[in-house]
Amino acid sequence: KAGVTQTPRYLIKTRGQQVTLSCSPISGHRSVSWYQQTPGQGLQFLFEYFSETQRNKGNFPGRFSGRQFSNSRSEMNVSTLELGDSALYLCASSQLDPDDSPLHFGNGTRLTVT
Amino acid sequence: GEDVEQSLFLSVREGDSSVINCTYTDSSSTYLYWYKQEPGAGLQLLTYIFSNMDMKQDQRLTVLLNKKDKHLSLRIADTQTGDSAIYFCAEVDTGRRALTFGSGTRLQVQP
Repeated sequence: KAGVTQTPRYLIKTRGQQVTLSCSPISGHRSVSWYQQTPGQGLQFLFEYFSETQRNKGNFPGRFSGRQFSNSRSEMNVSTLELGDSALYLCASSQLDPDDSPLHFGNGTRLTVT
Repeated sequence: GEDVEQSLFLSVREGDSSVINCTYTDSSSTYLYWYKQEPGAGLQLLTYIFSNMDMKQDQRLTVLLNKKDKHLSLRIADTQTGDSAIYFCAEVDTGRRALTFGSGTRLQVQP
């Protein structure tokens, strides 16, 4: 079975631009979550989607948004990029509810904002 | 709020056992996880333990859970240079359907 696939692997953007990251979950997995990893803050939860609905959101500004499609694929969008948005963005999928089934992560998208 | 703590660094010699420790706070957490991250890569799920278990063994990996002390440990037997990586402990935040991660333990294996 293919793992969680994230595209692109690397992105370089300028302050003020917007960016869209993509995630394809493991086949059959219905929940998709997003996390941000930075050296200063570590791994932080962004949001979780299930059946195209955002069920939970972490403590991030409204510039961070996402969506999930009917095939469970997910995208996240960051608008009006700031230097502090430079991070590794990780997508994870789980078969069922993250409370009840393990999360499997992709290799991430490394975003650099200049 | 939930908090997961780990020591930052561990150095061992090849062939020795490594023990990485973690403390957590959410007593309602259903699962507790260990992830491995190599340079430039994402998080690899190493193993996990359900909260009603005390121990889980998976080849070279042994996870011990002490619910009373909210202490989790990962033992790697016969540690190899390929085990050099950052290891993250995580608990499930059942209210948010999210994981709360520790800051990671960097394991350095010396030949």
